[in-house]
Amino acid sequence: DTEVTQTPKHLVMGMTNKKSLKCEQHMGHRAMYWYKQKAKKPPELMFVYSYEKLSINESVPSRFSPECPNSSLLNLHLHALQPEDSALYLCASSENHGLATQETQYFGPGTRLLVL
Amino acid sequence: SQKIEQNSEALNIQEGKTATLTCNYTNYSPAYLQWYRQDPGRGPVFLLLIRENEKEKRKERLKVTFDTTLKQSLFHITASQPADSATYLCALPDTGRRALTFGSGTRLQVQP
Repeated sequence: DTEVTQTPKHLVMGMTNKKSLKCEQHMGHRAMYWYKQKAKKPPELMFVYSYEKLSINESVPSRFSPECPNSSLLNLHLHALQPEDSALYLCASSENHGLATQETQYFGPGTRLLVL
Repeated sequence: SQKIEQNSEALNIQEGKTATLTCNYTNYSPAYLQWYRQDPGRGPVFLLLIRENEKEKRKERLKVTFDTTLKQSLFHITASQPADSATYLCALPDTGRRALTFGSGTRLQVQP
């Protein structure tokens, strides 16, 4: 199974709402990532978890809160978002988090988020 | 500052021709470079990785070259098909951040 799944596929939320994005992989990968992608732009890294610990936070606003309950699951909790946060949110995983090992990343289909 | 440049204009070619996409970078000394394909509204899919000591890599109809002197990678799709239409992203490891950085991608449109 080389699949990364993400739910929901689409999400519309108001600026006062609290919602969560979920990501799951069963490839035994120990690194998981959240990216944000705006239209016609490349994916931008938000967070990296390695062995269930937060390894990288790319100075993301605190209204985005990641969580890694176990090695297969990754959540992104959203609270008090702004309309400019509307984007495609991508989850990815790799065997390990170590650039020297030339890890390829497996991406999920993404959650299309619209903040009104 | 580090920069990855891909042709932001769409590349339109006829079916059966070879598509060539370019990835140029500055202020990187990457040990490798990766290419991904992304379809609209979907996540990127890994295609090929080429290491700094490899000049060329092939996979079926795909060929990637890596010139560390020119700081450039070329991505070729031979005998292109309409199904090859997608955005192609190159990605380089940013050792300072311990993360991959993606280029903005080039959209390829193969006309039947």
